[in-house]
Amino acid sequence: EAGVVQSPRYKIIEKKQPVAFWCNPISGHNTLYWYLQNLGQGPELLIRYENEEAVDDSQLPKDRFSAERLKGVDSTLKIQPAELGDSAVYLCASSLVTQGEQYFGPGTRLTVT
Amino acid sequence: GDSVTQMEGPVTLSEEAFLTINCTYTATGYPSLFWYVQYPGEGLQLLLKATKADDKGSNKGFEATYRKETTSFHLEKGSVQVSDSAVYFCALTTSSGNTPLVFGKGTRLSVIA
Repeated sequence: EAGVVQSPRYKIIEKKQPVAFWCNPISGHNTLYWYLQNLGQGPELLIRYENEEAVDDSQLPKDRFSAERLKGVDSTLKIQPAELGDSAVYLCASSLVTQGEQYFGPGTRLTVT
Repeated sequence: GDSVTQMEGPVTLSEEAFLTINCTYTATGYPSLFWYVQYPGEGLQLLLKATKADDKGSNKGFEATYRKETTSFHLEKGSVQVSDSAVYFCALTTSSGNTPLVFGKGTRLSVIA
């Protein structure tokens, strides 16, 4: 069974540029999560989807971050414009149901210069 | 709010040494508790979990017991190997509502031969 797939694995951009991350969850998993992991810290939830509905986006900085999961399968997280402080690892996870075991992708490491 | 506190690293041990990584939590309701491991360059992987008081989770020689009276979930291994070098995260989720995982800051373990 394929795991959670994320791309790209690494991204370097200049500040004020836009960037997008893509995640394909495990097949059949209804719940999808995006986490932010700063260096030396644990992951922090940005947004959680149940199918195509964002049910918890309270921690998403909506002035510059957006996300979508149009068909309830794969998802895209976007930052526009990026700031230096956005340099971090962006993790995607999925679970079969809410409260179920979460499976994590390898993450996208973003560096903003 | 819910929170997890882990002992700070890095922890450096010789091969075959005994490992303890302390984890305490604060939560409303009755949390489920987890240990995740992150190997270099990889995503987080669930190592073990416990869903109620006095449960013991175990996997790959690692163990942790859910202690409600001390609100703790310490990770232990009797004899570590070089391949155990990684970052270990304690996490919780509560059964109230749809609370996502709340992570500790992680503890880096280095095992030397």
